[in-house]
Amino acid sequence: KAGVTQTPRYLIKTRGQQVTLSCSPISGHRSVSWYQQTPGQGLQFLFEYFSETQRNKGNFPGRFSGRQFSNSRSEMNVSTLELGDSALYLCASSKGMSGETQYFGPGTRLLVL
Amino acid sequence: AQTVTQSQPEMSVQEAETVTLSCTYDTSESDYYLFWYKQPPSRQMILVIRQEAYKQQNATENRFSVNFQKAAKSFSLKISDSQLGDAAMYFCAYRSELWTGTASKLTFGTGTRLQVTL
Repeated sequence: KAGVTQTPRYLIKTRGQQVTLSCSPISGHRSVSWYQQTPGQGLQFLFEYFSETQRNKGNFPGRFSGRQFSNSRSEMNVSTLELGDSALYLCASSKGMSGETQYFGPGTRLLVL
Repeated sequence: AQTVTQSQPEMSVQEAETVTLSCTYDTSESDYYLFWYKQPPSRQMILVIRQEAYKQQNATENRFSVNFQKAAKSFSLKISDSQLGDAAMYFCAYRSELWTGTASKLTFGTGTRLQVTL
């Protein structure tokens, strides 16, 4: 069974631009979660989608948004990029039931100049 | 809110030796799940082991085992017969048994960087 895939793997943007990251979960998984990883803040939860609905949201500004499609693929969007948005963005999928293990993709490394 | 603490920023172990990574957590919940993830230089987060809080038996996966002390809220990872490929950042993570509200997210510790020497 194929793992979680994320595209693109690397991205360079400039301040003020917007970016869209994509995540394809493991087949059969209906929940997709997004995390931001930075050296200063560590791993922080962004949001979770289950069956096309946002079920959970972390403490991030409204510039960070996401969505999930009927095939469970998810996208996250960051508008008006700031230097501090430079990070590794990790996507994780699970079946979506209580306590299910989350399996991670390889991440998208975003650099904002 | 739950918190996870890893007090060892770095650890070193010789090949073939055993090392234990520490993790403590704080929660008011009685049912939850604990995980150890490994993040090698590739940055891919890989599940190492998982423990259900309602299980008294400590989880094991080949050379990896945990010491789960629920009352002490402690969850350490023991790596036996360490190999060069074990070198990575190790993260302890907590997940509530609930899956409503903010409960379904993973809460991570700050990580422990493990070096494996010859």
